[in-house]
Amino acid sequence: EADIYQTPRYLVIGTGKKITLECSQTMGHDKMYWYQQDPGMELHLIHYSYGVNSTEKGDLSSESTVSRIRTEHFPLTLESARPSHTSQYLCASSEGPWANYGYTFGSGTRLTVV
Amino acid sequence: GDSVTQMEGPVTLSEEAFLTINCTYTATGYPSLFWYVQYPGEGLQLLLKATKADDKGSNKGFEATYRKETTSFHLEKGSVQVSDSAVYFCALSDDYGQNFVFGPGTRLSVLP
Repeated sequence: EADIYQTPRYLVIGTGKKITLECSQTMGHDKMYWYQQDPGMELHLIHYSYGVNSTEKGDLSSESTVSRIRTEHFPLTLESARPSHTSQYLCASSEGPWANYGYTFGSGTRLTVV
Repeated sequence: GDSVTQMEGPVTLSEEAFLTINCTYTATGYPSLFWYVQYPGEGLQLLLKATKADDKGSNKGFEATYRKETTSFHLEKGSVQVSDSAVYFCALSDDYGQNFVFGPGTRLSVLP
């Protein structure tokens, strides 16, 4: 059973629409992450948070934004979707202050912008 | 900076064959090492991990040994099944826990 939930699982949306991808975890983890996964499978970190009111941009530049108002919730927003945003988006969290516990991932949201 | 290199896929095996997926890393200090698996249409799941040199992680018949002298963490399984078909990611966390790096992934297909 998943302890980190992403909705929706699949989304097809038109260009220019605003969308929010939801991510929630029930484990009380402080650290949360958003990855974009390209068709070649490689993972790219686009946003992360170390706690409430803390957000940072990752290695890959992204037009998306995130917020962290509650520990359990880390939504990702695209103000104006474009076909180049078509991808798989994965949310993850980690236990404690150290990443050496590993990450727990959600099932992902597959976004298609037409 | 820290990095992880994996053997290129796709890897195609027959059921009950022996599996090795090579993983080598570059990092300072004493990173923790992980293998994640991604089944079709799913997110990543932690398969196994090792946090110090010579540790062996194991799970579901998969094993990997942390070899600091060769900076490697190769994934092995003695007899693969069709249900093992997935993408496998090697990853490391630096010893400060501030940097988590994934390899590019290796796709495994097991044929009946």
